[in-house]
Amino acid sequence: EDQVTQSPEALRLQEGESSSLNCSYTVSGLRGLFWYRQDPGKGPEFLFTLYSAGEEKEKERLKATLTKKESFLHITAPKPEDSATYLCAGQNTGGFKTIFGAGTRLFVKA
Amino acid sequence: DGGITQSPKYLFRKEGQNVTLSCEQNLNHDAMYWYRQDPGQGLRLIYYSQIVNDFQKGDIAEGYSVSREKKESFPLTVTSAQKNPTAFYLCASSITDRGTQYFGPGTRLTVL
Repeated sequence: EDQVTQSPEALRLQEGESSSLNCSYTVSGLRGLFWYRQDPGKGPEFLFTLYSAGEEKEKERLKATLTKKESFLHITAPKPEDSATYLCAGQNTGGFKTIFGAGTRLFVKA
Repeated sequence: DGGITQSPKYLFRKEGQNVTLSCEQNLNHDAMYWYRQDPGQGLRLIYYSQIVNDFQKGDIAEGYSVSREKKESFPLTVTSAQKNPTAFYLCASSITDRGTQYFGPGTRLTVL
């Protein structure tokens, strides 16, 4: 069964303290791996799509990487406004089926 | 501005009532989706539509119904058969059923 697991469930950082969020996946024939940011009470905001192992994408303080079993979201020198829940999702080769992880809640303290 | 809109933002339902959640997109996307989000769980797929006048059940379709009469619109009805409807409901769309999904702002449904 296709599955996406995110860790840790919650992460507390000081402003400027870099860290990484993990997304482990077992998705048959991964077509794409997606990262979203979700603020409380709002819909997820698209961040990145990764398609193949070794691929990396960056946006401001965020960098997403992909291996054959995991994806990481690296946060460099985070700021309080980076506090949010980060969702990871994998899409299989069947097309429409996108499996979401439960998310990592990130808290960045000034 | 292109995007996805959902209404209402908050909805309260009494026992035995059917309620309809609205989802509209002006992105010219073919595929649309409805997800349910509960605390501590990943998004779960309720229904999806790859094209107008066609839709399929997702993983948790029981107690829900949808229609897709227009490309831009994909309303979700939560029927009285759904025993635990209190949740955050998210609508999404993608260019095709193989593309990146973009989400609306969500509707929070509470059963009184």
